[in-house]
Amino acid sequence: GAVVSQHPSWVICKSGTSVKIECRSLDFQATTMFWYRQFPKQSLMLMATSNEGSKATHEQGVEKDKFLINHASLTLSTLTVTSAHPEDSSFYICSAITRTGENIQYFGAGTRLSVL
Amino acid sequence: GNSVTQMEGPVTLSEEAFLTINCTYTATGYPSLFWYVQYPGEGLQLLLKATKADDKGSNKGFEATYRKETTSFHLEKGSVQVSDSAVYFCALYGSSNTGKLIFGQGTTLQVKP
Repeated sequence: GAVVSQHPSWVICKSGTSVKIECRSLDFQATTMFWYRQFPKQSLMLMATSNEGSKATHEQGVEKDKFLINHASLTLSTLTVTSAHPEDSSFYICSAITRTGENIQYFGAGTRLSVL
Repeated sequence: GNSVTQMEGPVTLSEEAFLTINCTYTATGYPSLFWYVQYPGEGLQLLLKATKADDKGSNKGFEATYRKETTSFHLEKGSVQVSDSAVYFCALYGSSNTGKLIFGQGTTLQVKP
């Protein structure tokens, strides 16, 4: 149980285009989803916290208009990188918390974004 | 504020060697503590957890004991395998956080045959 699916796993795009990444909880309802960014050989950097039906909370230094987050249902959150540039190339990972209150985050497999 | 510090890597071991990855934390109150593992090119998987002092989390031969007196949660395994090669992250969830995990910087483990 507690499976989180992330799609796509790898995307290459041209500079200036927008890219959408989906995060789905497959067998549970997620009250909260998180979006992280990970640079090579580094830890995870929390970008934003997403609650179903409300606006996402972006961490300090993360542009909310650049990294749009939509959490339309209890099983789906999307991250859109708008007008992507090469410096946005990174590994993006989502996670979700179940409604049981156990405070365990279940992670997706990640999306590798390469902006040319 | 809350923070997690892990030993620097990479840690390189031969197969069947004993593993210890140190993790210490700073937090107010009584945080929950976690170890996550990340295999190359993948997301994170929960390896084990402990929610109160003296709890021992265990899974797949890995163990970690929540030591409040030393604010530590060191990861151990008696006999590592090549398939254990991965990056290991120590993390805490503090009661004051809204579900946010605080991660250590990660420790890369390389196990050679």
